[in-house]
Amino acid sequence: SQWGEENLQALSIQEGEDVTMNCSYKTYTTVVQWYRQKSGKGPALIILIRSNEREKRSGRLRATLDTSSQSSSLSITGTLATDTAVYFCATDAPNNYAQGLTFGLGTRVSVFP
Amino acid sequence: EAAVTQSPRSKVAVTGGKVTLSCHQTNNHDYMYWYRQDTGHGLRLIHYSYVADSTEKGDIPDGYKASRPSQENFSLILELASLSQTAVYFCASRTGNEQYFGPGTRLTVL
Repeated sequence: SQWGEENLQALSIQEGEDVTMNCSYKTYTTVVQWYRQKSGKGPALIILIRSNEREKRSGRLRATLDTSSQSSSLSITGTLATDTAVYFCATDAPNNYAQGLTFGLGTRVSVFP
Repeated sequence: EAAVTQSPRSKVAVTGGKVTLSCHQTNNHDYMYWYRQDTGHGLRLIHYSYVADSTEKGDIPDGYKASRPSQENFSLILELASLSQTAVYFCASRTGNEQYFGPGTRLTVL
């Protein structure tokens, strides 16, 4: 597996709190993508961070990438009930752009009012 | 806006039967993918295609075939459906780094 053998994690938080989730990967990559999947929907890209970036922000989202430890994190500040979803990290197959993404197992985030 | 549609959205099949899942994209993207998602797991790549009339095996191709008759259409075929193929199937198209996913097809094999 491209990714560490973590299980699907689950986090329950209250609206307004901040949340951070982590992923580690095994093989070299130049891009880490984070996808959000809401119940009954397909995943959708929410933020992408490249190997020459240590941090990337988009609205309430913040992604970090540490290529030395081959890990990435996604933080959401001031969570809303609408942030309830499963969040996946994903990378491209090494040296084969066409092959598609390898996904981590995901983190289920439940935000309660 | 990018659009990937899948049909059917839900299907119940019998063991040993043939199942065809269809995907249609209006994005004009060359790359298309089929993934399956099992409870408690991320998405795993079954087949992909980067041009019409050509398909490639992904990470878990056993028991599945794919067909790409045109740039817009990409099908996943289960010739002999098995219980272990019960899952949700997602199709995606790609431009640059981003993949655009369809809404998924929930397949139950009994």
